[in-house]
Amino acid sequence: KAGVTQTPRYLIKTRGQQVTLSCSPISGHRSVSWYQQTPGQGLQFLFEYFSETQRNKGNFPGRFSGRQFSNSRSEMNVSTLELGDSALYLCASSLVGFSYEQYFGPGTRLTVT
Amino acid sequence: QQQVKQSPQSLIVQKGGISIINCAYENTAFDYFPWYQQFPGKGPALLIAIRPDVSEKKEGRFTISFNKSAKQFSLHIMDSQPGDSATYFCAASFISGGGADGLTFGKGTHLIIQP
Repeated sequence: KAGVTQTPRYLIKTRGQQVTLSCSPISGHRSVSWYQQTPGQGLQFLFEYFSETQRNKGNFPGRFSGRQFSNSRSEMNVSTLELGDSALYLCASSLVGFSYEQYFGPGTRLTVT
Repeated sequence: QQQVKQSPQSLIVQKGGISIINCAYENTAFDYFPWYQQFPGKGPALLIAIRPDVSEKKEGRFTISFNKSAKQFSLHIMDSQPGDSATYFCAASFISGGGADGLTFGKGTHLIIQP
């Protein structure tokens, strides 16, 4: 079974721009969570989508948003990019209702200049 | 507020030795505690997880010990191998709606196994 895939793997953007990251979960998984990983703050939870609805949200500003499509694929959008948004953005999927395990993708490395 | 505190920040263990990483949590409502392993350039990979109704869980060379009263849990890697060299993260979450809510992670432990 294929794992979680994320595109693109690397991205360079300029401050003030916006960016959209994509995540395809493991087949059959309907929950998708997004995390930000930085050297200073570590791994931080952004939000979770289940059945196209945001079910949980972390403590991030409204510039960070997401959505989930009917095929469970998810996108994450960051508007008005700041230098501090440079990070590895990780997506994780899980089989809600059958297990609690979250499986991570390889991440998208975003650099804001 | 750091809800999950992980120590040590870095650890060097000789091949064949036991690696021990500790975590402490503050929120007593947490009821799911996974450990993840991350190699450079990769996403975290789930190693092993525990619920608070058991005090220990073992999978191969990896063991979680859980102390509910002390609000602490630890990862033991027996017979540590150079291939175990990686960054390890503990995490905690709530179980709701049939799944785990957003994971709260510790800051990570950089483990080096010397041959």
